[in-house]
Amino acid sequence: EAQVTQNPRYLITVTGKKLTVTCSQNMNHEYMSWYRQDPGLGLRQIYYSMNVEVTDKGDVPEGYKVSRKEKRNFPLILESPSPNQTSLYFCASSNPGTGYEQYFGPGTRLTVT
Amino acid sequence: SQKIEQNSEALNIQEGKTATLTCNYTNYSPAYLQWYRQDPGRGPVFLLLIRENEKEKRKERLKVTFDTTLKQSLFHITASQPADSATYLCALDQGSNYKLTFGKGTLLTVNP
Repeated sequence: EAQVTQNPRYLITVTGKKLTVTCSQNMNHEYMSWYRQDPGLGLRQIYYSMNVEVTDKGDVPEGYKVSRKEKRNFPLILESPSPNQTSLYFCASSNPGTGYEQYFGPGTRLTVT
Repeated sequence: SQKIEQNSEALNIQEGKTATLTCNYTNYSPAYLQWYRQDPGRGPVFLLLIRENEKEKRKERLKVTFDTTLKQSLFHITASQPADSATYLCALDQGSNYKLTFGKGTLLTVNP
């Protein structure tokens, strides 16, 4: 089954404790992206990657890091999480060569206390 | 500044009627515009894409129009059903084909 998976699905952590949210897709997509979704603010792009080793900032990159060492994986790293990073996070992938629609993962609900 | 507005936060309609959702944008020149459906706590699901040179696109009970002069897209669901209740998001590219910007969404409720 074609899908985007994220782990963990739920995470409660404390301020300053480094964490990684993994994202993996099995569709051989070139493009991957991370979004956060907050009430009243909608979906906002954090980082995106056009292909392996090629990443760029989205609209709200502060406090986040990403890497794209393999085509299928695009982890999101929070080096020193803060309470304002409490949010619902989505990973997405697409293949611009065959269509621009994005396939989203199930989401990761992160709470930073 | 660039802005995408879905001009209804919430829309309530009766089953069987046509739902019409609006997406307006300013200071963008998108090559295409997309519509997604999102259920509570779940990731958005792609519905339709319409390109700048297309006026209208249909898929089953869904219809999208795109007016680049008015800078507006309309999303229609005909013969609406309670199962159509969800949040609908519009998204447009920023010209690079790699960045999508989403509107805040319209929560549609179809009452039986």
